[in-house]
Amino acid sequence: DTGVSQDPRHKITKRGQNVTFRCDPISEHNRLYWYRQTLGQGPEFLTYFQNEAQLEKSRLLSDRFSAERPKGSFSTLEIQRTEQGDSAMYLCASSLGTGNTGELFFGEGSRLTVL
Amino acid sequence: AQTVTQSQPEMSVQEAETVTLSCTYDTSESNYYLFWYKQPPSRQMILVIRQEAYKQQNATENRFSVNFQKAAKSFSLKISDSQLGDTAMYFCAFMSVALNFGKGTSLLVTP
Repeated sequence: DTGVSQDPRHKITKRGQNVTFRCDPISEHNRLYWYRQTLGQGPEFLTYFQNEAQLEKSRLLSDRFSAERPKGSFSTLEIQRTEQGDSAMYLCASSLGTGNTGELFFGEGSRLTVL
Repeated sequence: AQTVTQSQPEMSVQEAETVTLSCTYDTSESNYYLFWYKQPPSRQMILVIRQEAYKQQNATENRFSVNFQKAAKSFSLKISDSQLGDTAMYFCAFMSVALNFGKGTSLLVTP
């Protein structure tokens, strides 16, 4: 069990550029979540997948954000035309099961800085 | 919508002492799950303890225990015999579609 891994760990970009983050969940986990965390705040839910299906999206997920999970394995989160307000830690988590009782296992996050 | 409120932004406790972190939540659901997660500095978030709302007995995990008051919608975390490694952000969370987190309490354990 290698845990949830995220790549890159840090990304510095200029405003207007596109960035993509990757998350590899724990292998047998069917659910995958994306969260955003800004300094001094708790994580905010963005979206989640059950297998390859994206089942829920937060209103925080603007049109510039898109997430995919092809084949129900790894997931990518892309932010187009980045803005300074996108600067945050992007957390990925995975869990096993179909109900809402399971423990979420988090990655170490991908920190985005938009200049 | 479910909301989670943590009213203590920062707390400090001496090693070996006991500390209680507060959390209140709001929901119209009758059966749900509540969690406390710990986020050490520059490390990933890990589960500390989980409580199922239909269980009256408070959950306990070693030095960590909760005081779950369903009618009051209160879910506090007690850490006994605090250790330096307990220094972290602690987040209370409510599970609906996904985990909804409070803003967190920064706990500092001092020697």
